[in-house]
Amino acid sequence: EAQVTQNPRYLITVTGKKLTVTCSQNMNHEYMSWYRQDPGLGLRQIYYSMNVEVTDKGDVPEGYKVSRKEKRNFPLILESPSPNQTSLYFCASSLSGQGVYGYTFGSGTRLTVV
Amino acid sequence: QKEVEQNSGPLSVPEGAIASLNCTYSDRVSQSFFWYRQYSGKSPELIMSIYSNGDKEDGRFTAQLNKASQYVSLLIRDSQPSDSATYLCAVRIYSSASKIIFGSGTRLSIRP
Repeated sequence: EAQVTQNPRYLITVTGKKLTVTCSQNMNHEYMSWYRQDPGLGLRQIYYSMNVEVTDKGDVPEGYKVSRKEKRNFPLILESPSPNQTSLYFCASSLSGQGVYGYTFGSGTRLTVV
Repeated sequence: QKEVEQNSGPLSVPEGAIASLNCTYSDRVSQSFFWYRQYSGKSPELIMSIYSNGDKEDGRFTAQLNKASQYVSLLIRDSQPSDSATYLCAVRIYSSASKIIFGSGTRLSIRP
């Protein structure tokens, strides 16, 4: 089944404890992206990747890191999480970063930082 | 001004009627336009994409695009209770590194 897999689905952590949210897609998509979704603010892009080893900042990159060493994986790293990073996170992938291709989303990760 | 604007709703429509959802965008060189459906607590699901002016139909869904007016809409015919969800309008912005920008969504409620 074609899908984007995120782990974990739920995570509660403490301020300052490094964490990684994994994302993997099995569709050979070139483009991958991370979004956070907050009430009243909608989906905001954190980072995106046009292909392997090509990443760039989205609209809200502060406090996050990403890497794209393999085409299928695009982990999101919070080096020192803070309470304002409590949010619902989605990984998404697309065949291409151009044209008419929309996203396939992962199931989401609900992160709480206390 | 937000890049992609939607009325937050809720929009209440009787079962069997046509639901009309609207979206405006500010970037004149936007490439492609998408409608996603998101049920509460779930991830967004792509239901329609459109990139040319005019109408595009898929089952009970019709997307309408008017680039001159910077306006895109989604019509849902014969609305069902299962259509109750938040509908997100999204626009692919053309640039050297294109990205998709989302509106905040319109909450749709279909009343029996």
